[in-house]
Amino acid sequence: KAGVTQTPRYLIKTRGQQVTLSCSPISGHRSVSWYQQTPGQGLQFLFEYFSETQRNKGNFPGRFSGRQFSNSRSEMNVSTLELGDSALYLCASSPMTSGNNEQFFGPGTRLTVL
Amino acid sequence: AQSVAQPEDQVNVAEGNPLTVKCTYSVSGNPYLFWYVQYPNRGLQFLLKYITGDNLVKGSYGFEAEFNKSQTSFHLKKPSALVSDSALYFCAVRETGSARQLTFGSGTQLTVLP
Repeated sequence: KAGVTQTPRYLIKTRGQQVTLSCSPISGHRSVSWYQQTPGQGLQFLFEYFSETQRNKGNFPGRFSGRQFSNSRSEMNVSTLELGDSALYLCASSPMTSGNNEQFFGPGTRLTVL
Repeated sequence: AQSVAQPEDQVNVAEGNPLTVKCTYSVSGNPYLFWYVQYPNRGLQFLLKYITGDNLVKGSYGFEAEFNKSQTSFHLKKPSALVSDSALYFCAVRETGSARQLTFGSGTQLTVLP
């Protein structure tokens, strides 16, 4: 079974631009979560989608948004990029939301904002 | 509320020696507990989880973790460390019956010295 895939793997943008990141979960997984990882803040939860509905949301500004499609693929969008948005963005999928299910992570998208 | 603490940012151990990476948690009820490992430029990989039952949980690559309810701890252990175990380790918690997202610790960098 193929793992979680994220595209693109690397991205360079300039301040003020917007970016869209994509995540394809493991086949059959309906929950997709997004995390931001930085050296200073560690791993921070962005949001979780299940069956096309946002189930949980972290403490990030409205510039960060996401969505999930009927095939469980998910995208996240960051508008008006700031230097501090430079990070590794990780996507994780699991069969169901919450519970005792472990999450399966993709390799991440490394975003650099200049 | 749920939270998890990894009190050591860095753990160094000699190859062949036992290793311990510490984790303590806080939840209102009972916890689901997880350990993940992250290698450079990679996503997180699931190692093991505690749901219920036996307090000693065995996972991938020879790792195990001991759930201690009275001390609210879930330390990761391995009897004999390998250089290839050098990586960033994350502990995570979710309260049972909760719809909240998984909460991750700040991570512990394990370095196994040859």
